[in-house]
Amino acid sequence: EAQVTQNPRYLITVTGKKLTVTCSQNMNHEYMSWYRQDPGLGLRQIYYSMNVEVTDKGDVPEGYKVSRKEKRNFPLILESPSPNQTSLYFCASSRRVGSQETQYFGPGTRLLVL
Amino acid sequence: DQQVKQNSPSLSVQEGRISILNCDYTNSMFDYFLWYKKYPAEGPTFLISISSIKDKNEDGRFTVFLNKSAKHLSLHIVPSQPGDSAVYFCAASAGTYKYIFGTGTRLKVLA
Repeated sequence: EAQVTQNPRYLITVTGKKLTVTCSQNMNHEYMSWYRQDPGLGLRQIYYSMNVEVTDKGDVPEGYKVSRKEKRNFPLILESPSPNQTSLYFCASSRRVGSQETQYFGPGTRLLVL
Repeated sequence: DQQVKQNSPSLSVQEGRISILNCDYTNSMFDYFLWYKKYPAEGPTFLISISSIKDKNEDGRFTVFLNKSAKHLSLHIVPSQPGDSAVYFCAASAGTYKYIFGTGTRLKVLA
């Protein structure tokens, strides 16, 4: 079954305590991405990766880091979380063939930074 | 500056009728557009995409229309079903995988 998994699904942490949210896909997709969803703002892209060792900034990259050492994994790292990073986070993987794109999202990680 | 806009925060449609969700964009460099639906407490579900070389793409009950001159795209759902009740997002990119999303339209299909 095509799947994007994220862990943890829920996380409460305190300001400044480094955390990592993992993301893994089983579809051998080259493209992966992280988004955050906030009320009234829709989805905003944080970082994306075109392939292993190729990452680039999305719309709101400040305060986040990513790495893509393997094709299937794309962890999101918050080196020093702050309360304004409290949000719902989604990982996605995608394949674009010609003019057709198919994208799959993970179930989301709800983060609360105190 | 909101480059991708969904000006209708909500829409109600009778079951069996057509749902039309609209999306406007300002960046003429956008060349790839996607639609998603999202249920509460779940990740978004990809519905359909269209590239700027086309003006229409269909997949079952879902059709996306792209009007490049008006910088406007729309998603048509025919016939609408109660299970289609969700929030719908459009997204656009300009030659890359950097996507800009609209703020969403909540569709309610009435039985």
